This record gives sequence, C-alpha cells and structure tokens, in this order.
Amino acid sequence: EAGVVQSPRYKIIEKKQPVAFWCNPISGHNTLYWYRQNLGQGPELLIRYENEEAVDDSQLPKDRFSAERLKGVDSTLKIQPAELGDSAVYLCASSLESADTQYFGPGTRLTVL
Amino acid sequence: SQQGEEDPQALSIQEGENATMNCSYKTSINNLQWYRQNSGRGLVHLILIRSNEREKHSGRLRVTLDTSKKSSSLLITASRAADTASYFCATGSGTYKYIFGTGTRLKVLA
Repeated sequence: EAGVVQSPRYKIIEKKQPVAFWCNPISGHNTLYWYRQNLGQGPELLIRYENEEAVDDSQLPKDRFSAERLKGVDSTLKIQPAELGDSAVYLCASSLESADTQYFGPGTRLTVL
Repeated sequence: SQQGEEDPQALSIQEGENATMNCSYKTSINNLQWYRQNSGRGLVHLILIRSNEREKHSGRLRVTLDTSKKSSSLLITASRAADTASYFCATGSGTYKYIFGTGTRLKVLA
C-alpha cells in the first residue's frame, strides 16, 4: 500500500512569491494533517481535516496561508506571499480517524530567499 | 506551544546498550504516540499507547505511560547504529490535536 505522497520534495523561492504544496493521503484515511517543522523542533500542527472539513485551523496564519481538501482526498497548502520565516519542512500526515495512528509523508523542504 | 517535552535533548550511547528517553506533558491526554525521524526524512510511527494502557512493546521498543505523573518513557534495547535518529512524543488530547515535543536526538556509536 502506498504511503502519504507529497510534492514537491524541495522548493526554493524568493520572498513575496507564492508557493503551493500538495498531499495525497493513504487511501481510505479520513483525517489529514498539515504540520510545519522548523529546524531542531518538533512538528507544529497547522490544520486538520476530517474528510473535507477543516476541524482545527487555529494555528494556521490565515493572512497568508490557505488550505483546501476537495472531495476529502487530496489536499493543497498555499502560502501567499511567502516570508523568510516560512522556511521550514511542511509535513502532511493522514490517519483513518482522529484517534488513530498518523502516517507521515516525506515532507516538502521550503527555502525562502 | 509544546506540550510534550522530551528528556534528554541529546543522548549518545554505544551499540548494544539500552537507550531510554522520557516525555512529560501538562494536560490530560487520550493517547500518546512515539515517532522516529531520521535526518532529512519524514516521521515514522513507532508506538501508540492509550491513556488506559500502562505499557506496550514492539520488538526492541518498550513504552510506558504514567498518567498520574503525566509522563511516558521509550526504551530501546540492544541499540544499533541504525537507531540513530530523533525521537518525538506526540500527545493527543480530547480534541485529537496532537502536540509534538522538541525531540531527543539519539546517536548510537558503532
């Protein structure tokens, strides 16, 4: 069974440019998470979806970040415009339900110059 | 905000020795999960322990949970060089918002 797929794996952009990350969760997983991980830190939750509904987006900087999960499967996380402080690894994870084990994708390493 | 705090922050041991790392948290939880992250890679799930469980095993891994002390420990027995990684605990609360700690960086010397 395929794991969580993320693309791109790496992205380098100039500040003020837009950027988007894509995630395809494990088939049948209803819950999808986006995390941000800064160097030397643990992942921090940005948003959690139950099917297509965002049930926890309290940590998402809504002035520049947006996310969607159309049809309750794939998800896209967007930053517009990017700032230097957005440089981090963006991780997507999925689980059958919220109380279950989370499975992580390889992440997208974003560098903002 | 970080709820789970791992201790120690870094640990260096010889191959074959046991490695123990601890996780303390502040509020009530439904479950606690341990993850491993190799340098530059995604997180790999190790063990999930629910609040009504006290101990779980998986191969060379043993996890304990003490809800009265709000702490958990991860024991890796007979460590190998391949166990070199960062280890994170993640606490799941009533709203299933998982909060990760800052991690323990384990180095196993061959």
